[in-house]
Amino acid sequence: GQQLNQSPQSMFIQEGEDVSMNCTSSSIFNTWLWYKQDPGEGPVLLIALYKAGELTSNGRLTAQFGITRKDSFLNISASIPSDVGIYFCAGYGGSQGNLIFGKGTKLSVKP
Amino acid sequence: DGGITQSPKYLFRKEGQNVTLSCEQNLNHDAMYWYRQDPGQGLRLIYYSQIVNDFQKGDIAEGYSVSREKKESFPLTVTSAQKNPTAFYLCASRAWGASSYNEQFFGPGTRLTVL
Repeated sequence: GQQLNQSPQSMFIQEGEDVSMNCTSSSIFNTWLWYKQDPGEGPVLLIALYKAGELTSNGRLTAQFGITRKDSFLNISASIPSDVGIYFCAGYGGSQGNLIFGKGTKLSVKP
Repeated sequence: DGGITQSPKYLFRKEGQNVTLSCEQNLNHDAMYWYRQDPGQGLRLIYYSQIVNDFQKGDIAEGYSVSREKKESFPLTVTSAQKNPTAFYLCASRAWGASSYNEQFFGPGTRLTVL
């Protein structure tokens, strides 16, 4: 079946640093979604990507849909303490399929 | 406000008891989903429903049951057959059929603890 590899598994950074994380798929995806989950809460959708090569920003967050359609990247600029949480990537191989999730990147920010 | 509500937030159950988790959405979404999340783990799909009165098993359906009598509601029952039910349960919904509506939204979750 389809698999998503998300890396890194965890990151511990200083406030103000930029963050990069990525996901790679074993097959082509038509949609990439990026979520953030705070402890004890449900994931919140940050960015949705629908076209290969698409670059989309949401405040300090920027995500890209890879040209090969098998990967996606999320960057966070100038991190702040409230960026702490787990970031999940997810994707669809087709509009009729179910979301495939990465295992998450746990971000810790040191003030 | 449009969104997904789950209740209760915390639920405690004795071994051998069935328990039902509520999920309601007012987003007019066709599809609804139940996921299980264990500490440090990703999301695993339990059941999903694309239309009223129809649902399909996900990857870990054993020990769970669902119903979809209304478009807005998709309750999950954790039965006594579920060997390790302590987990964080997430409900989600999504519009269905149009490629521009692939965004899936989640509820706040229910934490189930078996005593």
